[in-house]
Amino acid sequence: QVQLQESGPGLVKPSETLSLTCTVSGGSINNYFWSWIRQPPGRGLEWIGYIYYSGSTSYNPSLKSRVTVSVDTSKNQFSLRLISVTAADTAVYYCARRRRGYENFDYWGQGTLVTVSS
Amino acid sequence: AIQLTQSPSSLSASVGDRVTITCRASQGISSALAWYQQKSGKPPKLLIYDASSLEDGVPSRFSGSGSGTDFTLTISSLQPEDFATYYCQQANTIPLTFGGGTKVEIK
Repeated sequence: QVQLQESGPGLVKPSETLSLTCTVSGGSINNYFWSWIRQPPGRGLEWIGYIYYSGSTSYNPSLKSRVTVSVDTSKNQFSLRLISVTAADTAVYYCARRRRGYENFDYWGQGTLVTVSS
Repeated sequence: AIQLTQSPSSLSASVGDRVTITCRASQGISSALAWYQQKSGKPPKLLIYDASSLEDGVPSRFSGSGSGTDFTLTISSLQPEDFATYYCQQANTIPLTFGGGTKVEIK
């Protein structure tokens, strides 16, 4: 059974960089797309972007200037970097696997709350 | 970006009721729509993909239909474990987008 686990700081200061890592277990990161999705408290879901195991990426244009997603196949991990954060970036951040052949998400991490505050 | 409008935003229903949730896309997306269920404090769970295909392990009381711009999720007989928030997601065009959610509450 594939499992995903997010890790990283739960508190980030305004204007600084949010960095999260997703570790994939129970399966290989190879041959799939891997995504980051976020959900502000009490609100809906926003797709941030995804990366193929080979390194090709696609980002939400609303965040593209601030986002980088990277992959480390040797560690079965992929990562999110979001620069110049503000309070509007406070959210639960989920990592997820894109279902093969479809632009949907079949496996999700439990999510990690990142709060942007001084 | 393609906008997805869900209705209603919330509903109250009883166990055993038939429940229908709609999702309207701002432009045609063929059958590229998925439905997710999210319970409080948990990640979303994929229920339906490609508008009407049931994800493995999802009970058959869940069904999806539609194409183009109008889609529905139907729960044929609501069970206690189905009280949750439901989201649609379009899979046709980047950026991938989600509807605003429909909260299904106990009457």
